Amino acid sequence: EVQLLESGGGLVQPGGSLRLSCAASGFTFSSTAMSWVRQAPGKGLEWVSGISGAGGAAYYADSVKGRFTISRDNSKNTLYLQMSSLRAEDTALYYCAKDQDYFSSFDFWGQGTLVTVSS
Amino acid sequence: QSVLTQPPSVSAAPGQKVTISCSGSNSNIGNNYVSWYQQLPRTAPKLLIYDNSKRPSGIPDRFSCSKSGTSATLGITGLQTGDEANYYCATWDRSLSAVVFGGGTKLTVL
Repeated sequence: EVQLLESGGGLVQPGGSLRLSCAASGFTFSSTAMSWVRQAPGKGLEWVSGISGAGGAAYYADSVKGRFTISRDNSKNTLYLQMSSLRAEDTALYYCAKDQDYFSSFDFWGQGTLVTVSS
Repeated sequence: QSVLTQPPSVSAAPGQKVTISCSGSNSNIGNNYVSWYQQLPRTAPKLLIYDNSKRPSGIPDRFSCSKSGTSATLGITGLQTGDEANYYCATWDRSLSAVVFGGGTKLTVL
């Protein structure tokens, strides 16, 4: 059974940093591309970043480029999102999503971790 | 403003059929597979359709999708109250080198 468990969310001040984690199980993590997708309160889905299975390729939405860094540790089956220079508009529920076929679709999603950027 | 355009809301009666459109461009829908997601209230999104028209195991054939040029359309037949949710389309955009989502469509089953 595929499981994705996000953690690391919380309240952070504007300009601050936070690192999200997603512990994965139930599939061959090292050969699977992964993504982070966020949803601001009452808003739609926004893809944030994605990374290839081996970690050699990473992609970002323009809204987070230069501030967020995606990475993975395949020995720990864990996906990360390092977020810095956080802004109020980064406040959202952040989902970890398993790519079905290299960013063409997401077949499993975690339950999300909430990030609130506020002073 | 989303790269992919969806109607904000649609509605229909139980048992009826509804369609949800998703409009893009040659840099996204026109040259890449489209996927669709259903998000029930207070839950994570769920994959409904992938590779333009394929359904994952467990998704009933009441859900279908067609694609033509730079647009895709999700169709839902035999509407049930349990289908009330937000629906999102998504695809890869080669100009942005990013996945793009539509703004979402809220389905109301009257």
